[in-house]
Amino acid sequence: DQQVKQNSPSLSVQEGRISILNCDYTNSMFDYFLWYKKYPAEGPTFLISISSIKDKNEDGRFTVFLNKSAKHLSLHIVPSQPGDSAVYFCAASGSGGSNYKLTFGKGTLLTVNP
Amino acid sequence: GAVVSQHPSRVICKSGTSVKIECRSLDFQATTMFWYRQFPKQSLMLMATSNEGSKATYEQGVEKDKFLINHASLTLSTLTVTSAHPEDSSFYICSAVSSGAWDNEQFFGPGTRLTVL
Repeated sequence: DQQVKQNSPSLSVQEGRISILNCDYTNSMFDYFLWYKKYPAEGPTFLISISSIKDKNEDGRFTVFLNKSAKHLSLHIVPSQPGDSAVYFCAASGSGGSNYKLTFGKGTLLTVNP
Repeated sequence: GAVVSQHPSRVICKSGTSVKIECRSLDFQATTMFWYRQFPKQSLMLMATSNEGSKATYEQGVEKDKFLINHASLTLSTLTVTSAHPEDSSFYICSAVSSGAWDNEQFFGPGTRLTVL
């Protein structure tokens, strides 16, 4: 049973426009959410995170929105750049504190066209 | 920044042999490290949690006798795939949590591509 779902396997966006990557989760115990960027044959790189006590977190071009009632989060990238092309993974963890176990979605391949 | 290395980056072995993969936190101490496996076009699947000085905790469905984990120091965890078979071919990634971390951020290694012939 997939507890973290990224229903779009791929997304193509024009340079300069907004990229919106979506993620849904089913486990109500998740209280911390992270987005990672991954290139082929490399490990994931942390991008941005959000705690369940917030509904928005912004870092430069990256903003993550959390809708707890809908169990949905999204990553907005504005403006999109060709260098943003990669696979983006949504991840979730629960109970905070020392529980660092992450559950990942299957990822969304973002392609930003020049 | 926090750096995690893995060695080797790529390994090809014959069926039935054992392969050891090292995961090191280079500039921080990590009481907890994680081992993930990723099949093509799939998500990272957590295999086990490695805690320094204690036994690893394995996720359901992961054979602890096949995937031996040793976390002997605060900067090193090893994963040994014993009696490897072609179905063990995968991309293995480790991550580490800084001992002083207040949030859940994990730093990932670059991964190890294992191919079992």
